[in-house]
Amino acid sequence: DIQMTQSPSSLSASVGDRVTITCRASQTIGGYLHWYQHKPGKAPKLLIYSASSLESGVPSRFSGSGSGTDFTLTISSLQPEDFATYYCQQSYSFYSFGQGTKLEIK
Amino acid sequence: QVQLQESGPRLVKPSETLSLTCTVSDGSVSSYGWNWIRQPPGKGLEWIGYISTTGATNYNPSLKSRVTISAGTSKNQFSLKMTSVTAADTAVYYCAGGSEDPNYLYAMDVWGQGTTITVSS
Repeated sequence: DIQMTQSPSSLSASVGDRVTITCRASQTIGGYLHWYQHKPGKAPKLLIYSASSLESGVPSRFSGSGSGTDFTLTISSLQPEDFATYYCQQSYSFYSFGQGTKLEIK
Repeated sequence: QVQLQESGPRLVKPSETLSLTCTVSDGSVSSYGWNWIRQPPGKGLEWIGYISTTGATNYNPSLKSRVTISAGTSKNQFSLKMTSVTAADTAVYYCAGGSEDPNYLYAMDVWGQGTTITVSS
């Protein structure tokens, strides 16, 4: 199994801040890495696919980078609607998710 | 735009079988591999398994002995069965489509709204 480890597990930030979340895979996964935003009572929403491609309709303040085992999700200027939990997911070998990063308002 | 809807009994007794169906509408069923994911209360997302357009299945090793995913009786449906459930299987269950567009590398770009399943006597 491929284990996905996100850091931090939680994060407090203010509107306008730049935020970075990291995700590490237990083995190389190439670019088979995706990022999702999840709000309570809603379905998860795909933000970034294939490590760095922005999903249609997602604001450009979201970006992703990395390959192999280390990946990052960056939000360049936090907006009120961005406070949510973020998950990375690998699709290189079946699927597995990171444990999530809860982004809270400071 | 593809839309997904989960359906099935919301309350299941311990040791019994959980059964859910996902109905796919307004899109191309053949463009996706179809997945089940769950989120227990206070925990993160867990991939349960998937069925491909050819009917091949793969499961989370931790659940494999209890899970079956199959194509539904209708062409636009697929189903989840989980046997011998316990309270630990209480969760929100989602169906989702993993895109077979080569650029997407199987990212899940369509999701159902989720359904809360409670295991209790």
